[in-house]
Amino acid sequence: GAVVSQHPSRVICKSGTSVKIECRSLDFQATTMFWYRQFPKQSLMLMATSNEGSKATYEQGVEKDKFLINHASLTLSTLTVTSAHPEDSSFYICSARDLGENYGYTFGSGTRLTVV
Amino acid sequence: RKEVEQDPGPFNVPEGATVAFNCTYSNSASQSFFWYRQDCRKEPKLLMSVYSSGNEDGRFTAQLNRASQYISLLIRDSKLSDSATYLCVVNANNFNKFYFGSGTKLNVKP
Repeated sequence: GAVVSQHPSRVICKSGTSVKIECRSLDFQATTMFWYRQFPKQSLMLMATSNEGSKATYEQGVEKDKFLINHASLTLSTLTVTSAHPEDSSFYICSARDLGENYGYTFGSGTRLTVV
Repeated sequence: RKEVEQDPGPFNVPEGATVAFNCTYSNSASQSFFWYRQDCRKEPKLLMSVYSSGNEDGRFTAQLNRASQYISLLIRDSKLSDSATYLCVVNANNFNKFYFGSGTKLNVKP
């Protein structure tokens, strides 16, 4: 089945620094990828839709200047958390769909971000 | 009102028990429905899609009730390894956008 690779799996950074998270579709091309955030004991919340070759679409309440998304190729989307603060500490997960398969969406393994 | 609502549980059941979860959705135009399983601190993984006619995969059965706008997941002969959080996922009007329920936690005890 489709595989989505996400890196890094864990990152600890200082307040004010930026962190980049990569999401790759390994064996399929993904014109669209999705970025979610999950706080403890809460559901996944869609942050933005990443579109290859064009600007990302952000959900209401998500600051596009803080969460920079780049989808420069059909297999790679990146999420950069800029000027991170402790409240940005969360579990970030990307997902994509292999249009050749009818198995819902495949998720990356997630990135646990801790801002200290 | 939330797009998707689930009973958070936890459902504590003994091995071998049958357990069922429901999930309600608010948008009557929703077209695609899925159940995902999420283990603690891991990414969600697709358990099964939910078809209009219902579908079964081994010990797992999923049903869709459009009239009452809910989907269900039935697990028979529960195993210890079934312990996880089960997420209900429903698409929005935009087929590419999906909403997740907050999950139902299942604990299967020996």
